[in-house]
Amino acid sequence: KNEVEQSPQNLTAQEGEFITINCSYSVGISALHWLQQHPGGGIVSLFMLSSGKKKHGRLIATINIQEKHSSLHITASHPRDSAVYICAVRPPSYNTDKLIFGTGTRLQVFP
Amino acid sequence: DGGITQSPKYLFRKEGQNVTLSCEQNLNHDAMYWYRQDPGQGLRLIYYSQIVNDFQKGDIAEGYSVSREKKESFPLTVTSAQKNPTAFYLCASSISVNTEAFFGQGTRLTVV
Repeated sequence: KNEVEQSPQNLTAQEGEFITINCSYSVGISALHWLQQHPGGGIVSLFMLSSGKKKHGRLIATINIQEKHSSLHITASHPRDSAVYICAVRPPSYNTDKLIFGTGTRLQVFP
Repeated sequence: DGGITQSPKYLFRKEGQNVTLSCEQNLNHDAMYWYRQDPGQGLRLIYYSQIVNDFQKGDIAEGYSVSREKKESFPLTVTSAQKNPTAFYLCASSISVNTEAFFGQGTRLTVV
């Protein structure tokens, strides 16, 4: 079993829909990252969370440390949001930025 | 603009040849990382470096080598000892440990 599980693996939506991507992890963590990977392969860091909630534009990320769960929400989705969204966690026992990655959620938003 | 540059974007090599992937950053970050991405799997750490002239093996270092002679540069060599080198390789950097990581655009290596 992977230490970081994402769901769903694939997601399609119509433009304007509210989208939720989930991430569950089985290890203790010091931080959780949400990343966006575009079709060309480059990765952009969206959020780094250790508690609570963060918002950036139409993106909202939440984390529940007790339940070992995080969600990424996209409001008013747009075709340009189509990408793979990756959850990654950093265990606190490591003395470096060694992240454990989920396998990603592929999102397609249709006009 | 500040960022991480990986080159080339696509690379083809014959089996048995060593190949070096370039990663340069002008963000003044101390830490740099190399990851490998295969279909259906999460990114896996190959090597990382927290400071110039120092680097550590990650989870899948066998068949790879790195150097960190300059703060800005962290090249990865895929040697002939790597049994399955065809993959997408991503370089990343961060200011220090436990800070947000910035990623490059990746290099897709195909060994034929």
